[in-house]
Amino acid sequence: KQEVTQIPAALSVPEGENLVLNCSFTDSAIYNLQWFRQDPGKGLTSLLLIQSSQREQTSGRLNASLDKSSGRSTLYIAASQPGDSATYLCAVGSYIPTFGRGTSLIVHP
Amino acid sequence: GAGVSQSPSNKVTEKGKDVELRCDPISGHTALYWYRQSLGQGLEFLIYFQGNSAPDKSGLPSDRFSAERTGGSVSTLTIQRTQQEDSAVYLCASSFRGLAGGTSTDTQYFGPGTRLTVL
Repeated sequence: KQEVTQIPAALSVPEGENLVLNCSFTDSAIYNLQWFRQDPGKGLTSLLLIQSSQREQTSGRLNASLDKSSGRSTLYIAASQPGDSATYLCAVGSYIPTFGRGTSLIVHP
Repeated sequence: GAGVSQSPSNKVTEKGKDVELRCDPISGHTALYWYRQSLGQGLEFLIYFQGNSAPDKSGLPSDRFSAERTGGSVSTLTIQRTQQEDSAVYLCASSFRGLAGGTSTDTQYFGPGTRLTVL
């Protein structure tokens, strides 16, 4: 059974910092890995999708990497802003996506 | 274009009552997923519809839970004889292809969820 772990569970940083969120998974036989953002009381918004054949994806200040062999993915956020405050979830798609519990991020001015 | 919509946004019910939750996926999306998110927990997969194929019900926690998808579009999740442990946010997502040829899946788009409270 796929298990997905996200570290840290919570993070509080000052505005402007570059930061890294980590996601690890136990079964490397995956189709893809997706990073989502969830704002309080809202649904999930897809940020980046990395197919299993890819090693990274970039969108604006976000960069996600995937290392299947080690069962890890990182989400890099450059020059963090208060508007980045949210919970970030990774989902590993081996068939049905398995989600981590998320990293709760607060970026304070 | 319109995103995934869910109704109601909030539902409060008494223990033992039945509830129906509705999901309208993005037009043209063949795959539809239901998840449950409990306080402090990750998203728990419930059920997956792909086109006209038989749904994958492997995530449904008990036989009190059922779901259908009519005409390959709108889906209804039904919980019979609700229990307090059913209280959670129920999220629906759709994607264009879902599991395509057993090789890859594509981006899931989520609705805002239905917050269910069972008293």
